[in-house]
Amino acid sequence: DQQVKQNSPSLSVQEGRISILNCDYTNSMFDYFLWYKKYPAEGPTFLISISSIKDKNEDGRFTVFLNKSAKHLSLHIVPSQPGDSAVYFCAASEVQGAQKLVFGQGTRLTINP
Amino acid sequence: KAGVTQTPRYLIKTRGQQVTLSCSPISGHRSVSWYQQTPGQGLQFLFEYFSETQRNKGNFPGRFSGRQFSNSRSEMNVSTLELGDSALYLCASSTGPTDTQYFGPGTRLTVL
Repeated sequence: DQQVKQNSPSLSVQEGRISILNCDYTNSMFDYFLWYKKYPAEGPTFLISISSIKDKNEDGRFTVFLNKSAKHLSLHIVPSQPGDSAVYFCAASEVQGAQKLVFGQGTRLTINP
Repeated sequence: KAGVTQTPRYLIKTRGQQVTLSCSPISGHRSVSWYQQTPGQGLQFLFEYFSETQRNKGNFPGRFSGRQFSNSRSEMNVSTLELGDSALYLCASSTGPTDTQYFGPGTRLTVL
């Protein structure tokens, strides 16, 4: 039972363009959402989060959008840079800051020069 | 500030053995969580500790256990290893049980 789904295993984007990573969830109790980035041989690195009381949160080149009615969130990276090439995980929890995170399967983003 | 450290980084065991993995959180962090990452199941929550107490547990058999020490360092133990336990085990720490988690590099366990 996959409560958090990232349906695109991979995504390829040209440097300088926008990267859009998508995530869907099924558990209506999820109240807090996060994005992590993972390089090979390293642990996931926290990128950005959003609470269900918001529909958008921005941090530099990264923006997360949340559509609660559709149970969908997306991460926008603008402009995309070669260093952004990594695996991106979407995660959710029932309470903000709860340590029990439910992760998606990840999307491998490749930024082409 | 040093990040989360996990030891060992790589480990090879055989079926039926047991293994202990160690995690040292970021200085000042008192909450530690463990996750298992496999190609088939992805990243799955194992358990969470705060102030030496287990606060939450994921859906794993009793062969998986953990503990936290007074200095916030944590260990997880897997007994009677099975081939399916081969995975990357990740530890994450946070300042408290309601704060953002920061992950270590993981321990790659291979069970033969």
